[in-house]
Amino acid sequence: KNQVEQSPQSLIILEGKNCTLQCNYTVSPFSNLRWYKQDTGRGPVSLTIMTFSENTKSNGRYTATLDADTKQSSLHITASQLSDSASYICVVRSSGGSYIPTFGRGTSLIVHP
Amino acid sequence: DGGITQSPKYLFRKEGQNVTLSCEQNLNHDAMYWYRQDPGQGLRLIYYSQIVNDFQKGDIAEGYSVSREKKESFPLTVTSAQKNPTAFYLCASSIGVNTEAFFGQGTRLTVV
Repeated sequence: KNQVEQSPQSLIILEGKNCTLQCNYTVSPFSNLRWYKQDTGRGPVSLTIMTFSENTKSNGRYTATLDADTKQSSLHITASQLSDSASYICVVRSSGGSYIPTFGRGTSLIVHP
Repeated sequence: DGGITQSPKYLFRKEGQNVTLSCEQNLNHDAMYWYRQDPGQGLRLIYYSQIVNDFQKGDIAEGYSVSREKKESFPLTVTSAQKNPTAFYLCASSIGVNTEAFFGQGTRLTVV
């Protein structure tokens, strides 16, 4: 069964600090992995997408990494801002079968001033 | 503005009543989806449609129904058969089934 596990479940950091969110998956065969940011009460917005051949991809202060061998991804946030407070969701697509993505439960990040 | 619009943002219904959630997109996307989000859980797929006049059940379709009569519209009806309908409902669309999904802002349904 395809699964996506995210850790930690929640995280509280001070403004200006860095943090790293983890995503482990068992989806196979792998197509791509996407990180979404979801503000409270809003729809998710894509931050970055990783394909099999990509190890690192940045989007401003967000840097995603992918290790396809160990089936792990991380999202690193640099110099956090109050606006980074949100839920971060890891979504993995398979290249076989129905193409329907598998969603992680998300990591809830709170940035305190 | 191009995008995907869900309405209403908040919806209250009495138990036993059917309710329809609206989802409209002007992105010219072929695929549309409905997800349900509960606290502490990942998004769960209710229904999806890859093309007009066609739709498929997702993981939790029981108690829900959809239609796809127009490319731009994919309304979701929550029927009285849905045992626990109170949730946050998200609609999404994509060019194809294996491309980036763009989400609406969600509808929070509360059944009392």
